[in-house]
Amino acid sequence: DAGVTQSPTHLIKTRGQQVTLRCSPKSGHDTVSWYQQALGQGPQFIFQYYEEEERQRGNFPDRFSGHQFPNYSSELNVNALLLGDSALYLCASSLYRQGLGVEQYFGPGTRLTVT
Amino acid sequence: ELKVEQNPLFLSMQEGKNYTIYCNYSTTSDRLYWYRQDPGKSLESLFVLLSNGAVKQEGRLMASLDTKARLSTLHITAAVHDLSATYFCAVDSGDSGYALNFGKGTSLLVTP
Repeated sequence: DAGVTQSPTHLIKTRGQQVTLRCSPKSGHDTVSWYQQALGQGPQFIFQYYEEEERQRGNFPDRFSGHQFPNYSSELNVNALLLGDSALYLCASSLYRQGLGVEQYFGPGTRLTVT
Repeated sequence: ELKVEQNPLFLSMQEGKNYTIYCNYSTTSDRLYWYRQDPGKSLESLFVLLSNGAVKQEGRLMASLDTKARLSTLHITAAVHDLSATYFCAVDSGDSGYALNFGKGTSLLVTP
């Protein structure tokens, strides 16, 4: 059973460019969340997708957008890249289970460097 | 605004010693999560604590949750080098999305 997968592993972009990151959730999971982790910090919640809609959003500007496909995979798009967008971007998939809460499984991440 | 505070942020300890990492949070959520992260790697789920008084143990790690005090602890018993990593606690938002709010992490180094 494949876990959460993300692509690409590493990416280098120039300020002002646009980037798309991809995530495939763990088998059977229907919810995908995206997090940004700056160096030396804890992950920060960007947004979450469920049933192909954005269900919840963190404190990130509109330059950050996403999409979820019918097979539950997801994309994160960032427009007009800034140097401060350099970070590890983590995708997490989850499935709510009554009485067991929601355990989120994280993918390996995409390391984005903006120059 | 939900806040999650961990202490200490850095911890160097000798093999064989015991220590506790503390996680305080400001929300009324009952769900607390502990993750481990090795350098350059993703997050590995360690424990999911869902109710007041919950205690879970795996090997040399034991986590507990006191929702009244809004405090969780991660206790390390007889540390070994393989436990060197960064440990994060996280609390979910309590609403339908269960978005996780993370602490800044505790960087643990276990030395001989």
